[in-house]
Amino acid sequence: QKEVEQNSGPLSVPEGAIASLNCTYSDRGSQSFFWYRQYSGKSPELIMSIYSNGDKEDGRFTAQLNKASQYVSLLIRDSQPSDSATYLCAVIILTGGGNKLTFGTGTQLKVEL
Amino acid sequence: DAGITQSPRHKVTETGTPVTLRCHQTENHRYMYWYRQDPGHGLRLIHYSYGVKDTDKGEVSDGYSVSRSKTEDFLLTLESATSSQTSVYFCATGQGLDSPLHFGNGTRLTVT
Repeated sequence: QKEVEQNSGPLSVPEGAIASLNCTYSDRGSQSFFWYRQYSGKSPELIMSIYSNGDKEDGRFTAQLNKASQYVSLLIRDSQPSDSATYLCAVIILTGGGNKLTFGTGTQLKVEL
Repeated sequence: DAGITQSPRHKVTETGTPVTLRCHQTENHRYMYWYRQDPGHGLRLIHYSYGVKDTDKGEVSDGYSVSRSKTEDFLLTLESATSSQTSVYFCATGQGLDSPLHFGNGTRLTVT
């Protein structure tokens, strides 16, 4: 089982719709979770951090965390063509050698006009 | 982002040659990381540093070494480049163990 799993997509949504991106993780002890956005040919950029169960909203973005079920999701409301990118879920995995930020392989989102 | 500069941005090299990639940060972050990104594998940790001269291996460290002689610089060396090391390499920094990371612009390395 991969430590962090995401559907690779592509996930296609029409402009103005809600895009829902999901991520599951294997380490029950993980406490820190992040969503990054990566445009083609560019570096990942942080868009959300979440540390507690529940929802965290920032503009059009909402991160949701459920530690009991070991999943974290990202909702993008009123999706825009500029949201078309690959979204990476990242989880801090606790290891004997220290905490490691581990990434999923990413979900490609396409917002269609 | 976070004042992270990677050099070179692009490099083509031949199999068997040594290659050094440089990461320079101006944010005084304690933690620095080298990742590689390949289609189907996502971002994978090569090595990381938790202070000057303090480094440790990641999940794909074979064939790579690192050095950190100053807080601001973290070097990644491919001791003898192979075609399997063709990839995009990202440097990242973080303030603490639970902090999000900020990434440099990446180095695209091609080994022929």
